[in-house]
Amino acid sequence: EVQLVESGGGLVKPGGSLRLSCTASGLTVTNVWMSWVRQAPGKGLEWVGRIKSKGDGGTTDYGAPVKGRFSIFRDESRNTMYLHMNSLRTEDTATYYCRFVAAADTVYWGQGTLVTVSS
Amino acid sequence: SYELAQPPSVSVSPGQTARITCSGNAFPRKFAYWCQQKSGQAPVLLIYEDNKRPSGIPDRFSGSSSGTMATLTISGAQVEDEADYYCYSTDDSGNHSVFGGGTRLTVL
Repeated sequence: EVQLVESGGGLVKPGGSLRLSCTASGLTVTNVWMSWVRQAPGKGLEWVGRIKSKGDGGTTDYGAPVKGRFSIFRDESRNTMYLHMNSLRTEDTATYYCRFVAAADTVYWGQGTLVTVSS
Repeated sequence: SYELAQPPSVSVSPGQTARITCSGNAFPRKFAYWCQQKSGQAPVLLIYEDNKRPSGIPDRFSGSSSGTMATLTISGAQVEDEADYYCYSTDDSGNHSVFGGGTRLTVL
């Protein structure tokens, strides 16, 4: 069974950096496409970015609000996907979810990890 | 950047039909998907590829698409259906996913 567990959230000052982890079981992170989605408190879902499988080139794409500041990468040995966030802003405060679309009718989400950007 | 537009809220009485719309310029070239999110929980996929329902999703949930608008219909809405509903899709490049702003469904 697929499970996704996020970690690494916490309180960080504006301008700071943070790395989130999404550790997977039941799948190999390098063989699939995975993404990050965030949700600010009381707000809607927002797509953050996606990494393609190694076989599809392993390329990444990002939403406009985070492009150039956030990056997604993977560690095959730890079967973990990461979201590295730089130059954090107060508007990046959100719960960050990792997501895996196994098939058109099957989507797995982690439980989320909360990032708070505040001085 | 590409956007999907949803009404912020929809309200129906129990047993009535609720319709939630989602408009986007890439429809119908790109599929619409719908998910439900209850308070404090991760989203759950309700509809994929415009009108298909994953196993385990009650058949009162259905999806349709016409032109640049996709619609989620809940026939005979129940109190337990109170939740936030999001449509999502991709832009024409297929490289960027996007979520609609979400619709809060109230059933009372």
